[in-house]
Amino acid sequence: QVQLQQWGAGLLKPSESLSLACAVYGGSFSGYFWTWIRQPPGKGLEWIGEINESGSTNYNPSLKSRVTISVDTSKNQFSLRLNSVTAADTAFYYCARGLRSGGTSSLDFWGQGNLVTVSS
Amino acid sequence: EIVLTQSPGTLSLSPGERVTISCRAGQSVDSSYLAWYQQKPGQAPRLLIYGASNRAAGVPDRFGGGGSGTDFNLTISRLEPEDFAMYYCQQYGGSPPFSFGQGTKLEIK
Repeated sequence: QVQLQQWGAGLLKPSESLSLACAVYGGSFSGYFWTWIRQPPGKGLEWIGEINESGSTNYNPSLKSRVTISVDTSKNQFSLRLNSVTAADTAFYYCARGLRSGGTSSLDFWGQGNLVTVSS
Repeated sequence: EIVLTQSPGTLSLSPGERVTISCRAGQSVDSSYLAWYQQKPGQAPRLLIYGASNRAAGVPDRFGGGGSGTDFNLTISRLEPEDFAMYYCQQYGGSPPFSFGQGTKLEIK
């Protein structure tokens, strides 16, 4: 069974950088898009970006100037860094596994989520 | 970016009833790219439907999906108490960003 376990700092001050990591257990690390999604409390889901095992990335244009997603295939882990955070970046952050192949496009496994709060 | 609009925003229904949630795209979406997720309070979203109409592993057969082009839907044939939750559609193919609908809250009447 595939499991994604994520961790990172939960309280940041404005202008600091958000850093989260996600470890993948079970299944292959290759052939998927390792994805970050966020959800402000009480609001909807926002796709942040993704990376594959080769390090190729796609980002949401709304965040692209501040986001970096990286991968460590030796550890089956991937990470999110979001620079210059503001209160608007307060949200639950989720990692997920994405599959886009042969009609099976979906985010099929998700991490448990981390609440990141930005406050002075 | 493809904008997905779900309707209605909130549904108040009773167990045993049938429900259909709509997801309308601002431009045509390949049906193989359309997915539906369920989210309960305090939990991560869970994949329900992929490829517009295919149930994910372990999803009960009372959940069904359909549609094509710009109009997609999620149907629950007979609501069970555990089905009251938030539901989101997502287009996950073509060019990023891979947007979500704003969500539909299914609440107990």
